[in-house]
Amino acid sequence: EVQLVESGGGLVQPGGSLRLSCAASGFTFSSYEMNWVRQAPGKGLEWVSYISSGGGTIYYADSVKGRFTISRDNAKNSLYLQMNSLRAEDTAVYHCARDRGYSYGRPFDYWGQGTLVTVSS
Amino acid sequence: EIVLTQSPGTLSLSPGERATLSCRASQSVSSSYLAWYQQEPGRAPRLLIYGASSRATGIPDRFSGSGSGTDFTLTISRLEPEDFAVYYCQQYGSSLYTFGQGTKLEIK
Repeated sequence: EVQLVESGGGLVQPGGSLRLSCAASGFTFSSYEMNWVRQAPGKGLEWVSYISSGGGTIYYADSVKGRFTISRDNAKNSLYLQMNSLRAEDTAVYHCARDRGYSYGRPFDYWGQGTLVTVSS
Repeated sequence: EIVLTQSPGTLSLSPGERATLSCRASQSVSSSYLAWYQQEPGRAPRLLIYGASSRATGIPDRFSGSGSGTDFTLTISRLEPEDFAVYYCQQYGSSLYTFGQGTKLEIK
């Protein structure tokens, strides 16, 4: 069974940093591209970042470019999101999501339950 | 950046009725890269449709997707109680993914 479990969320002050993790199991993690998607309280979904299976290709949404860094450790079956210079508008539940890849049109076929990040003083 | 606009914002229907949800793109989207998701309160989104019209694994055949270019539709042929949720369309293009703002399907 495919499982994605996020951790690392919490309360942080504006300007602070946080590192999120996503532990993957039930599939060959190193073969799949991965993404982070966030959802502010009561709002819709917002894509945050993408990383290729080997980590060599990375994309970011404009809203987080220069502040967030996505990475992965295929030996540990883990995905990460380093978040710096956090702002109130970054408050959201952050989901990791598996990317099905080009041949399927890049849908996100499995999602974690998410971890809540709250940016507030 | 391609903007996806979903309509209506809220759709009120009864179980057994047919639901038609719309997703309009600000510029042409490759059908290959258009997906639909369902999200129930407090839960992670679930992939329903990819490639505009292909059902994901385990998705009942009452869910269908169609469309091309800038206009896409998700149809639920006969609503079941568990179908009342929020639905999002999503597209991929130019190294970016974008989601629509969502349509809430509520029980009338």
